[in-house]
Amino acid sequence: DAGITQSPRHKVTETGTPVTLRCHQTENHRYMYWYRQDPGHGLRLIHYSYGVKDTDKGEVSDGYSVSRSKTEDFLLTLESATSSQTSVYFCAISEDRGSGYTFGSGTRLTVV
Amino acid sequence: EDKVVQSPLSLVVHEGDTVTLNCSYEVTNFRSLLWYKQEKKAPTFLFMLTSSGIEKKSGRLSSILDKKELFSILNITATQTGDSAVYLCAVVSGGGADGLTFGKGTHLIIQP
Repeated sequence: DAGITQSPRHKVTETGTPVTLRCHQTENHRYMYWYRQDPGHGLRLIHYSYGVKDTDKGEVSDGYSVSRSKTEDFLLTLESATSSQTSVYFCAISEDRGSGYTFGSGTRLTVV
Repeated sequence: EDKVVQSPLSLVVHEGDTVTLNCSYEVTNFRSLLWYKQEKKAPTFLFMLTSSGIEKKSGRLSSILDKKELFSILNITATQTGDSAVYLCAVVSGGGADGLTFGKGTHLIIQP
């Protein structure tokens, strides 16, 4: 997707290992978000950022941490991956609250 | 707790039919409602609605918001097989965590 990239696209990891997903934007948008998408639950907000070093928790933040040291990068870390964190993770960006959000292509994470 | 409910959850129609997808919401301090189309990858933005009664239109797709009754509809006329997707409704509100609250989506299948 134009202006926003996620890496890696796919990852398989073992239970108990740390995992970091990266979201990179070139739009200079202030807001960045991490969502997870699971069957039967839809998209749920994990964490979000409203500026460099400014982050806050979303609906399903337990087991996840984030960091934003530069405007363009928002990292999501699973400190000790569990099978319940197997999911598709989407990053999104927006210029301000209430405006259209642009999503990255997603990262499919499998924890075995 | 903010809530967004979409109906139906799934719908199968024939090419050429007209469909109406529904989204109702209960949120604190409503700001805007967004519609997305999700095929195999990331959700792609369709419409953002902030005012009641003003129809947004793009080709065969249109949407309208009713802030009094707290719902929105998405219409697709003369459906084509390429319209097959999951359609997501999301609301930006002033309550709770930042970011979008999503409905679970309507899975639309267009049969030739």
